[in-house]
Amino acid sequence: QKEVEQDPGPLSVPEGAIVSLNCTYSNSAFQYFMWYRQYSRKGPELLMYTYSSGNKEDGRFTAQVDKSSKYISLFIRDSQPSDSATYLCAARNSGNTPLVFGKGTRLSVIA
Amino acid sequence: GAVVSQHPSRVICKSGTSVKIECRSLDFQATTMFWYRQFPKQSLMLMATSNEGSKATYEQGVEKDKFLINHASLTLSTLTVTSAHPEDSSFYICSARGGQVGNTEAFFGQGTRLTVV
Repeated sequence: QKEVEQDPGPLSVPEGAIVSLNCTYSNSAFQYFMWYRQYSRKGPELLMYTYSSGNKEDGRFTAQVDKSSKYISLFIRDSQPSDSATYLCAARNSGNTPLVFGKGTRLSVIA
Repeated sequence: GAVVSQHPSRVICKSGTSVKIECRSLDFQATTMFWYRQFPKQSLMLMATSNEGSKATYEQGVEKDKFLINHASLTLSTLTVTSAHPEDSSFYICSARGGQVGNTEAFFGQGTRLTVV
């Protein structure tokens, strides 16, 4: 079983919709949780960064971590065509350890 | 936010030659850098972790003699693909992390698309 599981999609939504992206993980030692956005042929861009459980909001983006169920979520409100990209969840232990990535979910927001 | 610059963004080389990819942290000191490989529509595959001034730690299945990593300074790490072959064609991405251990984020370079012909 991969440590971080993510449905690769693709996911297609109309402009203005609320998008829900999710990941599950198996390693209970994970403490840091990230969401990255990657456009085609570009490096990933950090969107959200959460330590332990809880919610974090930044503009149209909300990240949620539920450590009891090992569930990571990213919500995008009022989705825009420019949000069309691949979204990668990632997690890691404390200390200077590498990130473990999900497969990424391809999102298309249709105008 | 922190900026990581990766160069070149795209390179085409002949089979058998070597290619060097640079990864620079522009506004912070990167004590640790990570090198990834990404195939089309796939996630990032960690190749190696390098800490400044020490030998890189390679992931299982990654040939250290083929993918040479040097992290000689706190702002620069290089990946050299030696004796490149067409199967080495891929998208290579670096990330850099610095600052307090346990409370840091990894920022990524723009990626290098390597094509070996």
